Amino acid sequence: GDSVTQMEGPVTLSEEAFLTINCTYTATGYPSLFWYVQYPGEGLQLLLKATKADDKGSNKGFEATYRKETTSFHLEKGSVQVSDSAVYFCALSNAGNMLTFGGGTRLMVKP
Amino acid sequence: DAGVIQSPRHEVTEMGQEVTLRCKPISGHDYLFWYRQTMMRGLELLIYFNNNVPIDDSGMPEDRFSAKMPNASFSTLKIQPSEPRDSAVYFCASSSQGPYEQYFGPGTRLTVT
Repeated sequence: GDSVTQMEGPVTLSEEAFLTINCTYTATGYPSLFWYVQYPGEGLQLLLKATKADDKGSNKGFEATYRKETTSFHLEKGSVQVSDSAVYFCALSNAGNMLTFGGGTRLMVKP
Repeated sequence: DAGVIQSPRHEVTEMGQEVTLRCKPISGHDYLFWYRQTMMRGLELLIYFNNNVPIDDSGMPEDRFSAKMPNASFSTLKIQPSEPRDSAVYFCASSSQGPYEQYFGPGTRLTVT
């Protein structure tokens, strides 16, 4: 079945550092890919998405590119802020089926 | 616009008691999802509804769990009887586009002692 693998956290960075959170997936066909973010004490929020190969999703300074050849959808941000501290979930949806989430990666940004 | 509303936000109960969690989806959304989040198991889909009809409840862990959606603006998740291993954060989410772009509520943190 479909699966999503994320790098284990926590990831600890200083403010203004470059962020990469790795995400790879296993799925048949051409899934849509998503990044969700969960701030402390809140539910998940959709951060960005990409629906086909080579698409780049972007929002709030975050970017991720759908790489079919490497089955990856890594999340990047050029300069993180303390307010970016949260848990980030990579997810896929295949052929209109339910979202399959990765295990989540906790990001901690220190001032 | 109001987002997904869940109540209560926190629930502490004793083992064996009945627990009812409530959810109001975003108006106009025709999909509703119930999830459970724990440190050990991560985020698990329990059940989802489309147009108030349960479509897939294969994630419901046991017969102790039941969910209903009597109308488009209200859903409940009930646990009877509750057990300590049910302690988790329960999220409700809604969508107007199937599994895409789900909008999550703030969650209910359930503690069963």
